[in-house]
Amino acid sequence: GDSVTQTEGQVTVSESKSLIINCTYSTTSIAYPNLFWYVRYPGEGLQLLLKVITAGQKGSSRGFEATYNKETTSFHLQKASVQESDSAVYYCALGGFNTGANTGKLTFGHGTILRVHP
Amino acid sequence: EAAVTQSPRNKVAVTGGKVTLSCNQTNNHNNMYWYRQDTGHGLRLIHYSYGAGSTEKGDIPDGYKASRPSQENFSLILELATPSQTSVYFCASGTNQAPLFGEGTRLSVL
Repeated sequence: GDSVTQTEGQVTVSESKSLIINCTYSTTSIAYPNLFWYVRYPGEGLQLLLKVITAGQKGSSRGFEATYNKETTSFHLQKASVQESDSAVYYCALGGFNTGANTGKLTFGHGTILRVHP
Repeated sequence: EAAVTQSPRNKVAVTGGKVTLSCNQTNNHNNMYWYRQDTGHGLRLIHYSYGAGSTEKGDIPDGYKASRPSQENFSLILELATPSQTSVYFCASGTNQAPLFGEGTRLSVL
């Protein structure tokens, strides 16, 4: 089956510092999956932050970026300078394989709580 | 604007009672999904649907039923609610590109 691993359950960073949230994935499919980062801000629903559907490509949004690395099966989320408003829960996910019976189901990591303090 | 709306947003139920969570989408998406989110587990797929009249089991379907009476509506039904079903439930619609999620329903079963 498929799995997504986020090694950090919680990350605390000072405002204006850099951030990396680790994500690695595993799949038994012969096809390359689509990779996603979703974010849940306090009191809000789940929002798509960024997605990458092609191995080797980078996605970016709101100052965050992630590169789809099929060699290391990783999709780490990075930001050069975080803001207090970035405090949220971040979920890495895979799914939507580009070939075969594609149901659009996603497999999520456990989520990483990001706390940014001033 | 694309939207997925869940109701109710919060629900308190008693053990053994019936609970229905509703989801409506205005995106004309064929696929819809129900997930639950628990601390330490991320989101897990309960049921999904390919279109009106279709329901499929996800990864954790036990204790849940689903109903898709129309393109727009997808319900999750707990016939006999248990405390272990206390969770936050998310509905989503979309394709493989990036499902759109609702704001979630917080369910407490006492």
